[in-house]
Amino acid sequence: GAVVSQHPSRVICKSGTSVKIECRSLDFQATTMFWYRQFPKQSLMLMATSNEGSKATYEQGVEKDKFLINHASLTLSTLTVTSAHPEDSSFYICSVKGGAQYQETQYFGPGTRLLVL
Amino acid sequence: AQSVTQPDIHITVSEGASLELRCNYSYGATPYLFWYVQSPGQGLQLLLKYFSGDTLVQGIKGFEAEFKRSQSSFNLRKPSVHWSDAAEYFCAVGGQGGKLIFGQGTELSVKP
Repeated sequence: GAVVSQHPSRVICKSGTSVKIECRSLDFQATTMFWYRQFPKQSLMLMATSNEGSKATYEQGVEKDKFLINHASLTLSTLTVTSAHPEDSSFYICSVKGGAQYQETQYFGPGTRLLVL
Repeated sequence: AQSVTQPDIHITVSEGASLELRCNYSYGATPYLFWYVQSPGQGLQLLLKYFSGDTLVQGIKGFEAEFKRSQSSFNLRKPSVHWSDAAEYFCAVGGQGGKLIFGQGTELSVKP
C-alpha cells in the first residue's frame, strides 16, 4: 500500500500559538488527502478533505479559519492549527486516497500528537 | 444515512483462541468495506478490504473477513490470536467522495 508520513510526531505548544502539521505521500502522487482528529478511546472524526490545487472541504462543525489546510502539491498537505487552545489538544491523523492502482483505498499516516498548554 | 456499528467496545480473548469482531453497516448501494487496526499512539494500518467479488476476503496478519449482504455485516476473524494482535480495530465503509465512515472501534485485549 501507499506510504504516508507525518511531521512532527508530537508537538507541545503554548496557548495562542500556531502549529503546522505536514502530511506527505512518499510513493505516489495523491490528489486527495484527508485530515482526521481522534480523542482518546474514540473513533476518528473527519475534519476535512484536501484536494490538490483547490480549497479544502470542511466537515460540518469544523472551523475552517482555525484549521487551515493547504494541499500545495501532489505529495504534501499541511494542517495549521491557528491560535491553538488547550481544547485543540488531540491526535491528528492524515490519510491519502490511493488512485486506481490502490483501488481508491485510504492509507494513513502515523499521526501527530498535539498538546496545547 | 450511512453508518457503521461495532457492537463490542472491548473484547478479551486468550492467546491461541479464535477471534471474531463484529461489524454492521448501513449503506444504500454496494458498499466498499474496510478493516483497519491501530496500535496505541499510532496511525491506522489496513488489514483488508472488500470491493466486490468473493465475499470471503483474506488480509494481512492472518485475518479474514466475510461480507454478508443479507445481514449487512462484515465480521473480522482470526483462527488463532497472538499477543501482538492486541490493539484497536476499526471497521469502515467507503462513502461519497472517497470518505470513510468509521465504526466506534473495538479494543482487543489478549490474555497470556
